[in-house]
Amino acid sequence: AQRVTQPEKLLSVFKGAPVELKCNYSYSGSPELFWYVQYSRQRLQLLLRHISRESIKGFTADLNKGETSFHLKKPFAQEEDSAMYYCARRVYDKVIFGPGTSLSVIP
Amino acid sequence: SAVISQKPSRDICQRGTSLTIQCQVDSQVTMMFWYRQQPGQSLTLIATANQGSEATYESGFVIDKFPISRPNLTFSTLTVSNMSPEDSSIYLCSVVPYENNEQFFGPGTRLTVL
Repeated sequence: AQRVTQPEKLLSVFKGAPVELKCNYSYSGSPELFWYVQYSRQRLQLLLRHISRESIKGFTADLNKGETSFHLKKPFAQEEDSAMYYCARRVYDKVIFGPGTSLSVIP
Repeated sequence: SAVISQKPSRDICQRGTSLTIQCQVDSQVTMMFWYRQQPGQSLTLIATANQGSEATYESGFVIDKFPISRPNLTFSTLTVSNMSPEDSSIYLCSVVPYENNEQFFGPGTRLTVL
């Protein structure tokens, strides 16, 4: 089965500290991977996708096929980064989500 | 981007009743999906809503419990039938527009079953 795992359910970091949200996926060909974010009382929104190789709100994520990982990183966490983060992959036409990591940035 | 609205935004229902949730998009889209997000959990795909044909259900979800309609390229409904407290969840509509491959999510419908 195509799976996405996020080992950390909760992650707390201090403001200004680096943050890394881990994501691993089950290997199958060429994956299409995403990070979605859900801020408090807001709808789910796309943060970034691996094919774009872009940086959004200071976040980056690199696809590592050898480790089957797509970890989300930011060098300096901000309070407004506190949110729920979901790693996801597209399987044919469907997007399958990981269990999510709740990030809390401590002022 | 696609602007998605869902009705109702929330509801409290009695056990054994059914609720139909509507999803309306402001533009034609290729794909429409329905997800469920149970309390404290991630999103689980229920089914793909196919225009003009029966929906494609994921493992663990059946048409009798979650009938879905998609009469055109901008509208879909999901019915939660014969509800029980275990159906209490947020139900989300999601779409993929024609012009890009990005998947957008609606605001969700928060359902509580007593």
